[in-house]
Amino acid sequence: EAQLVESGGGLVQPGGSLRLSCTTSGFTLSSFWVSWVRQAPGKGLEWVANVKQDGSEKFYVDSVRGRFTISRDNAKNSVYLQMNSLKTEDTAVYYCAGSGGWLLDSWGQGTLVTVSS
Amino acid sequence: DIVMTQSPDSLAVSLGERATINCKSSQGVLYTANNRNQISWFQQKPGQPPKLLISLASTRRSGVPDRFSGSGSGTDFALTISGLQAEDAAVYYCQQYKEAPLTFGGGTKVEIK
Repeated sequence: EAQLVESGGGLVQPGGSLRLSCTTSGFTLSSFWVSWVRQAPGKGLEWVANVKQDGSEKFYVDSVRGRFTISRDNAKNSVYLQMNSLKTEDTAVYYCAGSGGWLLDSWGQGTLVTVSS
Repeated sequence: DIVMTQSPDSLAVSLGERATINCKSSQGVLYTANNRNQISWFQQKPGQPPKLLISLASTRRSGVPDRFSGSGSGTDFALTISGLQAEDAAVYYCQQYKEAPLTFGGGTKVEIK
């Protein structure tokens, strides 16, 4: 089972920016479609975005389109989520997850993003 | 967007009994390339990421106990836990991955009675 590791979470003020990273050890991430999925405190799961293996296709949920950008650097074995114009409702644990297709097979442990003044 | 509606929100089941969670999609989730329904089921315990149990509506992931089974077609799907064990207490989510945005059900909390 592939293991993914997220980083980059933290406390940010409303309107601020943050960049999350997702990487792996022991296998190459370039073979995976990678998604970001978030979970607000005490709430359910919400898919945020995904990116194809070569970065040529990207999809977003409406609530983040235009504010968040998913990207990847296969040479660095990493996928990123650039989050701009953050709102309090973006507060959540952000997970990266992926597999060869759109199935969310392997997950990281998550990184907490708190948007608060 | 495909809306996933789970029921019930929670249920309490005695050890050894059966738990059934229902999931309804607002439209079909059949992927014509493989003629399979693109439905996953996840288990999540407190402080942990979700764990994939079932894909393609009824295919158990390697290592998942056979007391977990998925069924359904069209727009109606179910996860059944036969012979509930104490370690099965968790929140369960269905999810469709036929099209973007990928969408989850609201979750069902399974407790031990």
